[in-house]
Amino acid sequence: DAKTTQPPSMDCAEGRAANLPCNHSTISGNEYVYWYRQIHSQGPQYIIHGLKNNETNEMASLIITEDRKSSTLILPHATLRDTAVYYCIVRAPETSYDKVIFGPGTSLSVIP
Amino acid sequence: EPEVTQTPSHQVTQMGQEVILRCVPISNHLYFYWYRQILGQKVEFLVSFYNNEISEKSEIFDDQFSVERPDGSNFTLKIRSTKLEDSAMYFCASSQTAYEQYFGPGTRLTVT
Repeated sequence: DAKTTQPPSMDCAEGRAANLPCNHSTISGNEYVYWYRQIHSQGPQYIIHGLKNNETNEMASLIITEDRKSSTLILPHATLRDTAVYYCIVRAPETSYDKVIFGPGTSLSVIP
Repeated sequence: EPEVTQTPSHQVTQMGQEVILRCVPISNHLYFYWYRQILGQKVEFLVSFYNNEISEKSEIFDDQFSVERPDGSNFTLKIRSTKLEDSAMYFCASSQTAYEQYFGPGTRLTVT
């Protein structure tokens, strides 16, 4: 699986959009971008995934650049409950039933 | 919304004792996983399980560990002789598709 790079920490004001970047410059053509998060002392939570098109669900939006070398997870109206560590993970379909490998992620603090 | 459940939420045991951590995956899921997270560290993969057998295991998952799906709903992790370094949060996860894994709330294991 391709390596990802994320900033170690970010702050966001409550009610504003949180934009979390991820660099995956070595991504292969068949690899998907996944986002998970872990709220303190809870189990990781799946957020969203995408291949090349932008994706949106009830939790977030995923914007993938045209060259697929980077992506941004957008939480449109961050709340205090969105304070968590966010993980960007790149995986190929044939390995998708395999383990999720968690890196250090981005620690997002939503500030009142 | 269906969710993965785990019991107990907290288990305290003495070094050398056997412990069994229990998980009830989401009912129509076919792939099951155990992960652990030592305090302050990242989530680490232990083992994946499909069709009543182990699909993959990590270096952490040595002979002291075993997994079982004793019936149609439970998925267990057994540690035969616990060590101090086994103290961690243990997360169960399950998946139906090749994309997202759903994690339980975790069991905090404390070995004294």
